[in-house]
Amino acid sequence: AQSVTQLGSHVSVSEGALVLLRCNYSSSVPPYLFWYVQYPNQGLQLLLKYTTGATLVKGINGFEAEFKKSETSFHLTKPSAHMSDAAEYFCAVSDGSGGYQKVTFGTGTKLQVIP
Amino acid sequence: DARVTQTPRHKVTEMGQEVTMRCQPILGHNTVFWYRQTMMQGLELLAYFRNRAPLDDSGMPKDRFSAEMPDATLATLKIQPSEPRDSAVYFCASGLDRSYEQYFGPGTRLTVT
Repeated sequence: AQSVTQLGSHVSVSEGALVLLRCNYSSSVPPYLFWYVQYPNQGLQLLLKYTTGATLVKGINGFEAEFKKSETSFHLTKPSAHMSDAAEYFCAVSDGSGGYQKVTFGTGTKLQVIP
Repeated sequence: DARVTQTPRHKVTEMGQEVTMRCQPILGHNTVFWYRQTMMQGLELLAYFRNRAPLDDSGMPKDRFSAEMPDATLATLKIQPSEPRDSAVYFCASGLDRSYEQYFGPGTRLTVT
């Protein structure tokens, strides 16, 4: 069964500082991994995804994530935080279990950016 | 700019009333998902459709919830009768079955008093 754990429900960083949001997954087969972002009063929007190939994945708004199989991790990073990055971020995993593209979402990490 | 649309955006109703939420998936998408988001439970999958057929509704309370796709451009989620514990934001998402990406609508914020 697939599952995902996000470490830290709230993360605060200063504007211009490194953003690091942690995600660990559990899957019985090679997974597909995703990061979504949710701004207040909006739906989720795909930031980036890993399916196969290069383990360092670049997404929108300067975010990237690295798939580390040995650590079962898919942490999200951004070198320099911007005020507009304040939002909730969801890590998600899908391994095709259940016969379809069921995606399991983590509990989310709220990112606060301090001016 | 193709988007998933949901109506209504906000709904306040009294306990016992029927609630219908509608979703228009992105044209050409053949998968539709319904999710419920609450502070306590996070994001929960309620139902999944592929080519308008319901393939998984195991996350949905069967006694009061129902989900349908009358046609490829409309998905509905009904609650009858509604209860205060149903208060949440309900999201619809659509995608293509050869891709794992899901495109979310803006959600319907439901308040049951």
